[in-house]
Amino acid sequence: DIQMTQSPSAMSASVGDRVTITCRASQGISNYLAWFQQKPGKVPKRLIYAASSLQSGVPSRFSGSGSETEFTLTISSLQPEDFATYYCLQHNSYPPTFGQGTKVEIK
Amino acid sequence: QVQLVQSGAEVKKPGASVKVSCKASGYTFTSFYMHWVRQAPGQGLEWMGIINPSAGSTSYAQKFQGRVIMTRDTSTSTVYMEVSNLRSEDTAVYYCARGGIVATTFFDYWGQGTLVTVSS
Repeated sequence: DIQMTQSPSAMSASVGDRVTITCRASQGISNYLAWFQQKPGKVPKRLIYAASSLQSGVPSRFSGSGSETEFTLTISSLQPEDFATYYCLQHNSYPPTFGQGTKVEIK
Repeated sequence: QVQLVQSGAEVKKPGASVKVSCKASGYTFTSFYMHWVRQAPGQGLEWMGIINPSAGSTSYAQKFQGRVIMTRDTSTSTVYMEVSNLRSEDTAVYYCARGGIVATTFFDYWGQGTLVTVSS
């Protein structure tokens, strides 16, 4: 199985900060990577697909980049509603595998 | 609009089975695979398996082989996931999520989740 390693596992940030989350794959996955946001008690919401394509309706402050083994999710200016846990998901090969999550908390 | 509506919360005893449903609407049911994902309390997301609603074929994560069965009913556009021989570690929220072949539709819609509690 492909292992997805996210970093950091948790972070504290302030409103307006630029936030970057990294996801590393144990082997190349082309651009078969998606990013999700999950708030407590809520359903995961897809933000990015195909590594860098923004989901319709998602604010443009979210962006994704990378290919093969290294990927990043960037929030250009953190807003109060962005405090949540973020997960990456690879679907280049089965089984699909998630990163362990990155919790973004208020500083 | 696309909707995935899951069945309600369940409480089961260890050793029992649970069957969770996921009813799809707003798209052609047989044109998209359906995945199941679970999330234990305070934990991350774990992929369980996939069903092709058209053919009925399935593939399960190795961890769940022999204990999970996914089925579908095309007449009602519903997929089901049954987990047998439940243990306390199976306490989790179970989600269905649509998954097309192309990236644009992979995990684009999710059900609302079904909490399954396993307790004696």
